[in-house]
Amino acid sequence: LAKTTQPISMDSYEGQEVNITCSHNNIATNDYITWYQQFPSQGPRFIIQGYKTKVTNEVASLFIPADRKSSTLSLPRVSLSDTAVYYCLVGDGQGGSEKLVFGKGMKLTVNP
Amino acid sequence: EPEVTQTPSHQVTQMGQEVILRCVPISNHLYFYWYRQILGQKVEFLVSFYNNEISEKSEIFDDQFSVERPDGSNFTLKIRSTKLEDSAMYFCASRRSYEQYFGPGTRLTVT
Repeated sequence: LAKTTQPISMDSYEGQEVNITCSHNNIATNDYITWYQQFPSQGPRFIIQGYKTKVTNEVASLFIPADRKSSTLSLPRVSLSDTAVYYCLVGDGQGGSEKLVFGKGMKLTVNP
Repeated sequence: EPEVTQTPSHQVTQMGQEVILRCVPISNHLYFYWYRQILGQKVEFLVSFYNNEISEKSEIFDDQFSVERPDGSNFTLKIRSTKLEDSAMYFCASRRSYEQYFGPGTRLTVT
């Protein structure tokens, strides 16, 4: 499983767009990039998954450059409730009984 | 929206006792998982379960741990003889396609 590297923490303010980066230099051809969010004392929650270029859903966008060695999760207009730990995971997310391998994630703090 | 449920939310037990943590996955999901998170640490994979058998387990999931899907709806994790270091949040997850849905967790405290 490809290892991922994320910043330890980030501070932002309400209403700002937040871009969270993740490095995954050893990503394999069949690997997908998946982001999860975790609030304190809760289970992780799926945000978005992508393979290449750009994916957008109702809560976030995921940007993946052509070499796929990094990715950026973009949260538009964050609010206080977006304060959480964000995990970038890389693996064969589309099939099998794939377990999720979590790193330490990045703690996002949104300030008023 | 369907969700994964877990009971109890908090379990306190004495070292050496057996505990059973219960989960009700989302009804049409096919893959089931247990993870744990020791306070302040990473979420760690314990075991995955598919087609009524374990498909993968981690080094943490030793002979003291077992899983069962006894009735087609519940999915349980049993720890036979708890140790102090088993104190953690235990999360159940299930999926049908690629997205894993996590339950709210059971906080296990071993004293």
